[in-house]
Amino acid sequence: NAGVTQTPKFRILKIGQSMTLQCAQDMNHNYMYWYRQDPGMGLKLIYYSVGAGITDKGEVPNGYNVSRSTTEDFPLRLELAAPSQTSVYFCASSYVTEAFFGQGTRLTVV
Amino acid sequence: GENVEQHPSTLSVQEGDSAVIKCTYSDSASNYFPWYKQELGKGPQLIIDIRSNVGEKKDQRIAVTLNKTAKHFSLHITETQPEDSAVYFCAASGTGGFKTIFGAGTRLFVKA
Repeated sequence: NAGVTQTPKFRILKIGQSMTLQCAQDMNHNYMYWYRQDPGMGLKLIYYSVGAGITDKGEVPNGYNVSRSTTEDFPLRLELAAPSQTSVYFCASSYVTEAFFGQGTRLTVV
Repeated sequence: GENVEQHPSTLSVQEGDSAVIKCTYSDSASNYFPWYKQELGKGPQLIIDIRSNVGEKKDQRIAVTLNKTAKHFSLHITETQPEDSAVYFCAASGTGGFKTIFGAGTRLFVKA
């Protein structure tokens, strides 16, 4: 009963490097989301998807890209990492309203 | 767009006391209001939610109230226990539930 799986759990990037945060769900949910959580702050929506092939920007999309080629997978791409992208990233999925979250990826950009 | 404000940012209570967390939202079109609990090192988990056609909902020691006219909603935890210690987030979203906007969170400490 995996739910939402995120990889990696931790990552340190150098400024200017690129990486992809992986997210997979096995609940056949149409909706998927990426949030970032900064210390002492709430979750900010980066991108979301209402189904395979459809993505849209959230509150803080700059510096990120997403794709949704399958229902199960929703990777988040950082092209040119900046210190401001140091955060904990959460992927989530939902059928309609209740969102199920992954365990998070702690990313540090140095 | 939607903006959700949450208060207080930190709340400390004695075991057995009640805890109340309050949120306000800006978009009158929002109609779904979930509350999430986040334990250390984990992702948020839904604990209770309420829709705009309901004024109050209760689940054991947890209750949520909604005042659509004033655009605010509250979480009430009664008979608090140490395991209630966590960060609690309120959120608001429109039809479909996606594009959910979260409050900044309340760190609840329950002292034994």
